[in-house]
Amino acid sequence: QVQLVESGGGLVKPGGSLRLSCAASGFTFSDYYMSWIRQAPGRGLEWVSYISSSTSYTKYADSVKGRFTISRDNAKDSLYLQMNSLRAEDTAVYYCARPQEPYSNSGWDYWGQGTLVTVSS
Amino acid sequence: EIVMTQSPATLSVSPGERATLSCRASQSVSSNLAWYQQKPGQAPRLLIYGASIRATGIPARFSGSGSGTEFTLTISSLQSEDFAVYYCQQYNNWPFTFGPGTKVDIK
Repeated sequence: QVQLVESGGGLVKPGGSLRLSCAASGFTFSDYYMSWIRQAPGRGLEWVSYISSSTSYTKYADSVKGRFTISRDNAKDSLYLQMNSLRAEDTAVYYCARPQEPYSNSGWDYWGQGTLVTVSS
Repeated sequence: EIVMTQSPATLSVSPGERATLSCRASQSVSSNLAWYQQKPGQAPRLLIYGASIRATGIPARFSGSGSGTEFTLTISSLQSEDFAVYYCQQYNNWPFTFGPGTKVDIK
């Protein structure tokens, strides 16, 4: 069965860095575009970043552009989010998500359990 | 950036009643719209994509309609497990954006 398992969250000071990972299983990872989506405590959902199946194309929300870098290793069925220059407003649960069809962005039907990132001094 | 708005913010409904949730886009997103359900402490669940296509395993009481800038999610007869927050999301233009959500609670 399809599984997405995030890791790497934790408490970090403002200006610090973290690297999130998402381990995928149960499907052909290299066929799917992948995204990171976050949710601040008590708030709504915010799309953060996207990467194409071959890694050649990436997109970022303006709120993280220049600070976050998305990457993937198709040989390891893994997705990553390198987060630098972290701010208090980056505090959120971070989800990795897979769209329902290969080579498509038409709705994310599989989500990980989320990993909490807390940015605080 | 396409701004998504949802109304109402909160909808109080009795079990068995019909619920109608609205979503509006600041510019046309064609039919590239999805609806998600989220319960406390859980990841979102995809309900509808392509504005009106139910995702795999979604009960028939959930239906979506609309295109362009106006969309509706209808839950024909609310079950106890349907009380949750519902988000719409456009995937027509980068950045992909979500609405602020509609909370459906028990009347």
